[in-house]
Amino acid sequence: DTGVSQDPRHKITKRGQNVTFRCDPISEHNRLYWYRQTLGQGPEFLTYFQNEAQLEKSRLLSDRFSAERPKGSFSTLEIQRTEQGDSAMYLCASSGRHPTDTQYFGPGTRLTVL
Amino acid sequence: QKEVEQNSGPLSVPEGAIASLNCTYSDRGSQSFFWYRQYSGKSPELIMSIYSNGDKEDGRFTAQLNKASQYVSLLIRDSQPSDSATYLCAVNGRGSTLGRLYFGRGTQLTVWP
Repeated sequence: DTGVSQDPRHKITKRGQNVTFRCDPISEHNRLYWYRQTLGQGPEFLTYFQNEAQLEKSRLLSDRFSAERPKGSFSTLEIQRTEQGDSAMYLCASSGRHPTDTQYFGPGTRLTVL
Repeated sequence: QKEVEQNSGPLSVPEGAIASLNCTYSDRGSQSFFWYRQYSGKSPELIMSIYSNGDKEDGRFTAQLNKASQYVSLLIRDSQPSDSATYLCAVNGRGSTLGRLYFGRGTQLTVWP
């Protein structure tokens, strides 16, 4: 049984560049979540999917951020025109059918914007 | 806006002691509560979930929930140096935000030999 996987694990980019992260959830999970975590803070919710439908987006998810889950399996999170304030750990989690099922986190993608 | 507050720490205990971690939440209607452990540079790892008032034990860990006081705690018995980490309290939203977790800032625990 494999857990949640994320790729890449680390990304360094220059301000203004676009970046894309991928998340593969636990295979039987139909809910997939994205969070962002900065140093000294708890994770902050960005968005989540049930199957391929994006059901909720946080106000943190500006128009530079877009997330997709086209076939209800893996998901991508794209950040356009990156800013230094986007530097953070981007965490993906997945869970079962019920909204309050336990969320299991992937290893995260650490983004550094220079 | 939901708030989840944790004693900020850092908390330092000797090996073998009991570590007590506390969390309060603002939404009286919250129903699901989680404790995650996070080692430095790593992602959160589930320690315990609790849904009903009272205690829930799993090995050296005990979660306690008091919905009337809007309070959830985690006790770690026989603390080990390997327990040194940041502990995150998380609470599910309600209604349209049911799917999301609200996290506290975490309490940093150090267990010294």
